[in-house]
Amino acid sequence: GAGVSQTPSNKVTEKGKYVELRCDPISGHTALYWYRQSLGQGPEFLIYFQGTGAADDSGLPNDRFFAVRPEGSVSTLKIQRTERGDSAVYLCASSFGAGELFFGEGSRLTVL
Amino acid sequence: RKEVEQDPGPFNVPEGATVAFNCTYSNSASQSFFWYRQDCRKEPKLLMSVYSSGNEDGRFTAQLNRASQYISLLIRDSKLSDSATYLCVVMKTSYDKVIFGPGTSLSVIP
Repeated sequence: GAGVSQTPSNKVTEKGKYVELRCDPISGHTALYWYRQSLGQGPEFLIYFQGTGAADDSGLPNDRFFAVRPEGSVSTLKIQRTERGDSAVYLCASSFGAGELFFGEGSRLTVL
Repeated sequence: RKEVEQDPGPFNVPEGATVAFNCTYSNSASQSFFWYRQDCRKEPKLLMSVYSSGNEDGRFTAQLNRASQYISLLIRDSKLSDSATYLCVVMKTSYDKVIFGPGTSLSVIP
């Protein structure tokens, strides 16, 4: 597709379970970002990739959160031992260099 | 102090009104500034970049004051379709993380 694709669009899980969220960026975009957004708040920065490497992971809230981008394209955000406070919309965005960020529609995570 | 702060809002204005949003940023090394728009339950989309000399795009005018670390967005002749959340966005350098403000909600009322 032409845009950023995120799967799943909705995920309901139980407290303590492991979750993976996938982001397929626009082809050729070198930069990829993950954000978390709660209702009524702005997107909260989590991690940023340039190519395969994490250029800045300072926004990851704790060691339960981890993200990879092994081939410089698709990225996976992994959350271990989910907690109710992890419930949010997880947004992925990609850009070519330092250009405009193009967002996916997000993955809505609900932890029961 | 948060890296990017905005007017909390919400702003409720009648059609045709002029409305201004303010944003402040804490890192004086920040180099690039943007306004993004986010419709309800949708993803953010770029509205406009903010240049040092100020810039205009139709009814929208963006201003930057580096000395005060302040950015503004002015919307003239508000339309119903302008109803959305406006997000102030800051980058320290061209290859740095992109930080979003908390957003200001605008409702344009008939």
